[in-house]
Amino acid sequence: ELKVEQNPLFLSMQEGKNYTIYCNYSTTSDRLYWYRQDPGKSLESLFVLLSNGAVKQEGRLMASLDTKARLSTLHITAAVHDLSATYFCAVDIKGGATNKLIFGTGTLLAVQP
Amino acid sequence: DAGVTQSPTHLIKTRGQHVTLRCSPISGHKSVSWYQQVLGQGPQFIFQYYEKEERGRGNFPDRFSARQFPNYSSELNVNALLLGDSALYLCASSLSGQGAYEQYFGPGTRLTVT
Repeated sequence: ELKVEQNPLFLSMQEGKNYTIYCNYSTTSDRLYWYRQDPGKSLESLFVLLSNGAVKQEGRLMASLDTKARLSTLHITAAVHDLSATYFCAVDIKGGATNKLIFGTGTLLAVQP
Repeated sequence: DAGVTQSPTHLIKTRGQHVTLRCSPISGHKSVSWYQQVLGQGPQFIFQYYEKEERGRGNFPDRFSARQFPNYSSELNVNALLLGDSALYLCASSLSGQGAYEQYFGPGTRLTVT
């Protein structure tokens, strides 16, 4: 059974600190997405990682993908309160005639002043 | 350009009732997927439609059905609602049903079953 696991599930951190969220998945995939979700809202796309070794950065967030290890990371640099949200990774799976996203469990990030 | 739109925004139904949720994809997108997100969990894949045909189905009971129209908009229908159907229902559109096409999510419909 395909599994996408994130850790930690909850992360409380102080402003200015660095931390990394990990996303492990159990099947072959060449594409991985990171999303942000604010309470009661839909998903905001952060990064699309399309190949092994891909690294993308936007502001204080940087995402990377290692398809051989089936691991993606989302690194937060010098966190600010505005980054408080739930972050999901999602693996793009091809099955027959369809593509579907399998989401991780989510990481609730709370940045404390 | 308009993004993915969904209606209604919120909906309250009673157990046993039926509900229809609607989705309009981004102009030019031919594939629509539906996801269910229960509070505190990640979204779960329900259906994918491409060119009006069902291309994929997740592990959901037959109470869930969907269809896609010639203009590529889509409806998700849920019969005999259960309390556990309370969730945020997300629609995503993409250019095609396969290949390296990113899925773009709509704002969602919040369904509450009482």
